[in-house]
Amino acid sequence: EVQLVESGGGLVQPGRSLRLSCAASGFTFDDYAMHWVRQGPGKGLEWVSGISRSSGSIGYADSVKGRFTISRDNAKNSLYLQMNSLRAEDTALYYCAKHEGTFYNSINDAFDMWGQGTMVTVSS
Amino acid sequence: QAVLTQPSSLSASPGASASLTCTLRSGINVATYWIFWYQQKPGSPPQFLLRYRSDSDKQQGSGVPSRFSGSKDASANAGILLISGLQSEDEADYYCMIWHTSAWVFGGGTKLTVL
Repeated sequence: EVQLVESGGGLVQPGRSLRLSCAASGFTFDDYAMHWVRQGPGKGLEWVSGISRSSGSIGYADSVKGRFTISRDNAKNSLYLQMNSLRAEDTALYYCAKHEGTFYNSINDAFDMWGQGTMVTVSS
Repeated sequence: QAVLTQPSSLSASPGASASLTCTLRSGINVATYWIFWYQQKPGSPPQFLLRYRSDSDKQQGSGVPSRFSGSKDASANAGILLISGLQSEDEADYYCMIWHTSAWVFGGGTKLTVL
């Protein structure tokens, strides 16, 4: 069974950092690109970042560029999101999502599996 | 103006059909885009429903019933998710998504009520 389990969320003050993790199982992790997608309270989905299977290609939403860093460890079947300089508007449920293809920007491949998410609250 | 615009809500009766639209911003031609549709029920992560580019380029998500289908309305510059034979379990939020200018972009979502 394909499973994605996010962790690392919590309450953090503005300007501080947090690192999210996503543990993958049930599929060959290093065959697929991965993404982080967030959803603010009562709001819609927002793509945050994507990374290709070999980490050779990475992309970010403009709203997080320069503050967030995505990475993966294929040996550990894990995806990460380092979030620095956090702002109140970063408050959201952060989902880890598996891409159908090997490149995060392959335009005809869907996000076919999602984790349950980990909540990040940025507040003083 | 947002890249993708979806009506915030839609209501339909059980057994009827519902057409959910995803309008692309002026200047972005729907004809060339793959449009992805996701369903999200309260307290659950999104689930991939289908992708659609044309009648010859489309794919249903794994296990997704055939009463969910995609199309485009070129005159409206919109992607469409058609749900036929509505069931109470179809009550959910629906999001469209495209790849545009180096980013994945979601529409704001449509809350579908089946009553």
